[in-house]
Formats: sequence, C-alpha cells, structure tokens
Amino acid sequence: EAGVTQFPSHSVIEKGQTVTLRCDPISGHDNLYWYRRVMGKEIKFLLHFVKESKQDESGMPNNRFLAERTGGTYSTLKVQPAELEDSGVYFCASSHRQGAWETQYFGPGTRLLVL
Amino acid sequence: AQSVTQLGSHVSVSEGALVLLRCNYSSSVPPYLFWYVQYPNQGLQLLLKYTTGATLVKGINGFEAEFKKSETSFHLTKPSAHMSDAAEYFCAVTPSGGYQKVTFGTGTKLQVIP
Repeated sequence: EAGVTQFPSHSVIEKGQTVTLRCDPISGHDNLYWYRRVMGKEIKFLLHFVKESKQDESGMPNNRFLAERTGGTYSTLKVQPAELEDSGVYFCASSHRQGAWETQYFGPGTRLLVL
Repeated sequence: AQSVTQLGSHVSVSEGALVLLRCNYSSSVPPYLFWYVQYPNQGLQLLLKYTTGATLVKGINGFEAEFKKSETSFHLTKPSAHMSDAAEYFCAVTPSGGYQKVTFGTGTKLQVIP
C-alpha cells in the first residue's frame, strides 16, 4: 500500500510568487490534514478535511493560504502571495475514518523556502 | 486547550546507553499521547501511542513510554541506544473523544555516539 505522498519535495520561490503544494493521501482515507513546521519550532496544525469538506481550518495563518480537496481525493495548498515567514516544512497526513482516534500517517513533507 | 513541552532540543547518548526523552503535556480533557519519529528525509512515523488502559506503552524498535497523570508526563525510553535510533522525536497530544487535531512539541534530535 502506497503511503502519503507530497509534491514537490522542495520549492524555492521569491517573495510575492505563488506556490502550490500537493498531497496524495493513502487511498480510502477520508481524513486529510495539513501541518507546518517553521524552522526550529513545533509542528503546527493548519487544517483538516473530511472527504472534500473542511472540518477545521482554525490553524490557517491568513487568507494568503488556500486549501482544496477536489473530490475528496488529493489536496492542494496554495500560498499566494508568498512571504518570507511562510518558509518551512509543510506536512500532509491522512487517516481512515472519523470518530475514534486513528493513526495519522504522514508524508515526507515539502520544504518551502521563500527568498 | 493543550500543549506539549519537550525538554532538550538535542540529546546525545552513547551507543548501548539508556535513551530518555522527556515530554510534559497540558490538556484540559483526558489526553491521547503520542511519540512520532522522523528519520532524515522521511515523514513522521508513529512510534507509540497512549489512549486508554495500561499506562506503560510499548512501541516499535524497543521504545516505550509511561503515561503519568500525576506528573503530566509521557517520557520516552529505550534501554539500549542503537546507531539507527538517531532521528528527531516528537511528542504530541490530542484530546480524547475522537477529534483528531494533534498538538506537537518542538522536537528532540537524538544523536547516538559510537
């Protein structure tokens, strides 16, 4: 069974540009999460999808960030326009069903550097 | 509200020595607690978890952790470090009851010295 995949693995962009990160969850997983780790700090929750619906987006830093999950499959996280403080590692995770806690499986992350 | 504090951003141990990574949590409701490990260039992998029941939890690769409610701690231990244990370890908490938002600590990088 394939794990959670993320693309690209690395991205270097200039301030003001747009970047789109993609996450493919494990097949059949209804829950999809985005997290971010700014250098040296904790991994912070951004948002949670259940299928194609946003269940909780309380962690999204501002309206420059837009997450979508078309058809309840893969998800994209767009940053537009990117700022220096957006640099960090963006992780995606997925889990099977809602309800009782289930293990979240993480992808390898996308390392974003905004210059 | 919940939070996690990991003491020590870097820990060094000799190969064969005891590994002890400290984690204290704060939670307004009974917590579920986790340790994740991240090896270089890989994603986070669940090492072990405490949800209910036995407070001493055994995980993969010989690691274990004990939930101590009175001390609000969930320290990670391994009796004998191996070179392959070198990685970054994250303690995490989520409220019990089904909602899955996870709060992570800042991570501890473990170095194993031959």
